[in-house]
Amino acid sequence: DAGITQSPRYKITETGRQVTLMCHQTWSHSYMFWYRQDLGHGLRLIYYSAAADITDKGEVPDGYVVSRSKTENFPLTLESATRSQTSVYFCASSDLLAGGKIHSGNTIYFGEGSWLTVV
Amino acid sequence: DAKTTQPTSMDCAEGRAANLPCNHSTISGNEYVYWYRQIHSQGPQYIIHGLKNNETNEMASLIITEDRKSSTLILPHATLRDTAVYYCIVRPPFSAGGTSYGKLTFGQGTILTVHP
Repeated sequence: DAGITQSPRYKITETGRQVTLMCHQTWSHSYMFWYRQDLGHGLRLIYYSAAADITDKGEVPDGYVVSRSKTENFPLTLESATRSQTSVYFCASSDLLAGGKIHSGNTIYFGEGSWLTVV
Repeated sequence: DAKTTQPTSMDCAEGRAANLPCNHSTISGNEYVYWYRQIHSQGPQYIIHGLKNNETNEMASLIITEDRKSSTLILPHATLRDTAVYYCIVRPPFSAGGTSYGKLTFGQGTILTVHP
């Protein structure tokens, strides 16, 4: 689905550098998420956001910072990259409301991923 | 969060139905069953989800047992492009002030290989 895009798709950076991964969705979904995927761990939730200016930690938030000033954007920043943060990062979004009511069964849609290598 | 158990791998002949089982014996009454798949190097793709009733869409069918402790994803006519890792996930419901709504917990999934 072209409605959620990530950039950059591929990035190599050095240890200690700051890196920002961008995520943009065109559906005006209220919820947005960042996951990382590593061999042996599956997908793990880093941070999520229920709406603009509302963010919360997931399973593995240490070393990451997020912001959500606009509904459509949810950037993920590694303030000082470490080798353990080498991973594939997936952004996702989901709407909570359906027909004006909270609908817990709404789908989460994923972006194509950002491959980050920290050397 | 309810855990799921899936076979590590399955094979299917092209054109045949692929039936992927999932056990979620600890599921609670308001948790949904979701199925996603991930083709190598791509983001997870939504397939289908359900709560109690069987569901069908253009991609697949989802059969949930009456006790909701297990489910089966059916790809009616598998093609080579259906070769992927298939994840069965139990999703916590939305809870105001809670943190579990977005927490899709992905297990290891089932590697489905469709053969010519």
